[in-house]
Amino acid sequence: DAKTTQPPSMDCAEGRAANLPCNHSTISGNEYVYWYRQIHSQGPQYIIHGLKNNETNEMASLIITEDRKSSTLILPHATLRDTAVYYCIVRPRNNAGNMLTFGGGTRLMVKP
Amino acid sequence: NAGVTQTPKFQVLKTGQSMTLQCAQDMNHEYMSWYRQDPGMGLRLIHYSVGAGITDQGEVPNGYNVSRSTTEDFPLRLLSAAPSQTSVYFCASKRGGQETQYFGPGTRLLVL
Repeated sequence: DAKTTQPPSMDCAEGRAANLPCNHSTISGNEYVYWYRQIHSQGPQYIIHGLKNNETNEMASLIITEDRKSSTLILPHATLRDTAVYYCIVRPRNNAGNMLTFGGGTRLMVKP
Repeated sequence: NAGVTQTPKFQVLKTGQSMTLQCAQDMNHEYMSWYRQDPGMGLRLIHYSVGAGITDQGEVPNGYNVSRSTTEDFPLRLLSAAPSQTSVYFCASKRGGQETQYFGPGTRLLVL
C-alpha cells in the first residue's frame, strides 16, 4: 500500500471548516483514498473514501487533486465532537481481506 | 444490532499467562480482523479472516493465534503473554463488497 504523510496536529475553531491534508505521492492507479477517525479511546470510525473524483457524504467532503498525489478532507462546520485523530489510508479496493494500514494520523483539536 | 462487541474491556496479565480476547459481530459480516494500538501510534493489523474457516496473518502476528469457526466470532489468543503485548486491541468487521469497516470498543491489556 502507498505511504501517506499527514501533519501530526491541527487546530480549528468551532463552526469553521476543518481542512485536513494528506500527501500520497506514490499512489498507484488502483488505490483508493480512505479516511477514518478515532475519537479518544474509541475504535476508529469510517468517514469517506474516493478514487479520483471528489466525494461528499453527510460527514465530510473529500477533495482529491487531479494527479491524485494529495487529498484534503473537509469537515464543513467543525464541532467540539469532531476532536479526534484523523487517518488517511491509501490501498487497493480489494487487497487481502480489505484490511487497513494506519499511519500516525492528524490530531485535530476543535476549540470553542 | 449490537454491532461489534469485545470482551473483556480491561485485563491485567502476568508474563507467561495465556488468555483469549473475545470478538463477536451480529451483522453477518464476512470479514473480521484484529488490530493492536500502542500509545500514540496508529493501529497495526495482527490477523484477519475473510470468512468462517479462513484466517491469515497481518503485519504483527507473532505471539497471537486466531480461529474462525463461525461467522459471528473471531477470538484472539495470546499464547504466553509478554510485556511487549501491552496495548489496546481492536476487533473490526466488514461486509464483502462494502467499504465501511466497523470497529469494536477495544480491550485494554496490561502485561506485567
